[in-house]
Amino acid sequence: SQQGEEDPQALSIQEGENATMNCSYKTSINNLQWYRQNSGRGLVHLILIRSNEREKHSGRLRVTLDTSKKSSSLLITASRAADTASYFCATVKTGANNLFFGTGTRLTVIP
Amino acid sequence: GAGVSQTPSNKVTEKGKYVELRCDPISGHTALYWYRQSLGQGPEFLIYFQGTGAADDSGLPNDRFFAVRPEGSVSTLKIQRTERGDSAVYLCASSLETATEQYFGPGTRLTVT
Repeated sequence: SQQGEEDPQALSIQEGENATMNCSYKTSINNLQWYRQNSGRGLVHLILIRSNEREKHSGRLRVTLDTSKKSSSLLITASRAADTASYFCATVKTGANNLFFGTGTRLTVIP
Repeated sequence: GAGVSQTPSNKVTEKGKYVELRCDPISGHTALYWYRQSLGQGPEFLIYFQGTGAADDSGLPNDRFFAVRPEGSVSTLKIQRTERGDSAVYLCASSLETATEQYFGPGTRLTVT
């Protein structure tokens, strides 16, 4: 079963704009991770944020985590056409080791 | 270095047949995971290995599904008496430590006709 949901389900923006995706989850977590997937295959890890962290940056990516609201957001700044993909948040529940994925956001960046 | 590899990339089989899907993790990664992804959905956890043992198989949908990792490296996911509902992309991932970032293979697309 899915752990949570991403919002929006689909997002279309112009190249150079920022893209924000949100993720909600249901249980206490060890950490939350964001992955990118192109063409329905090949998930690529983007960033990991631990439950005791509130914000993390990696290049053009900024992730926030609010454990009181059980939610996270992924911001991609200055988007590029190559950022077009599906983005998934995934949580590692407290005491577990595997990932529980959300339903994903399909991002389209228009050149 | 080499990433996670999975074979075959595509598998078409008839309902009722037996299939084996192989995963070769990144060298030195002790944790190995299998997930299943249906169209338009996020991956769903099937089973997790730490070394040779299945540490968590709570995601296996029923007893037709079984996985092994006899030498703590390569893993095989085995599906008996396949059903059309088993059609999905089967993803394998490995990680150096548990509860950290996972490295995914390209997946095996299984189609049961």
